[in-house]
Amino acid sequence: DAGVIQSPRHEVTEMGQEVTLRCKPISGHNSLFWYRQTMMRGLELLIYFNNNVPIDDSGMPEDRFSAKMPNASFSTLKIQPSEPRDSAVYFCASSPPGTSLFFGPGTRLTVL
Amino acid sequence: AQSVAQPEDQVNVAEGNPLTVKCTYSVSGNPYLFWYVQYPNRGLQFLLKYITGDNLVKGSYGFEAEFNKSQTSFHLKKPSALVSDSALYFCAVRDGGSQGNLIFGKGTKLSVKP
Repeated sequence: DAGVIQSPRHEVTEMGQEVTLRCKPISGHNSLFWYRQTMMRGLELLIYFNNNVPIDDSGMPEDRFSAKMPNASFSTLKIQPSEPRDSAVYFCASSPPGTSLFFGPGTRLTVL
Repeated sequence: AQSVAQPEDQVNVAEGNPLTVKCTYSVSGNPYLFWYVQYPNRGLQFLLKYITGDNLVKGSYGFEAEFNKSQTSFHLKKPSALVSDSALYFCAVRDGGSQGNLIFGKGTKLSVKP
């Protein structure tokens, strides 16, 4: 298995632009998580899905952030409009029930 | 609410010496505890977990962790540190039992010097 796949690996954009991050979880995993990592705040959960249904989105910073999981093999995290304070590394992770999470390599987002 | 605390921002160890990275937890109910490692510019890698059973859990790369219920601790240990162990280590607890998300500590930077 290729593991959790994220794209793009790096994204540089200008303030106000729309950004879409993509994630393909490991096949057979029923939970998917989006985390954000910054030096100041560490690792923060943004949202997670069980069986494609959003369970907890309380970590989504504001309405500019949205996440979807249209099927078991794909999820997106969208920021519209983007701001410099959104610059961070965004991780996607997946897991089967009751076990550890498997993380993707992350997307490093820089908003100028 | 579930939480974990890593009291040390950084741990420095000489190669060949034993290492300990500390973690304490606060949970309601049975704890699901994890350790992850992050190398520079990489994602998090799973090291080990405690769900139930033996208090001493063995994981990847020679690491182990000891679950101590009375002290609510889950310290990560290795008998002999390697320079290649230098990385950022995260303790985590799974919120809401087996289905919930992972709540991470702020991380401890381990530096192993030759």
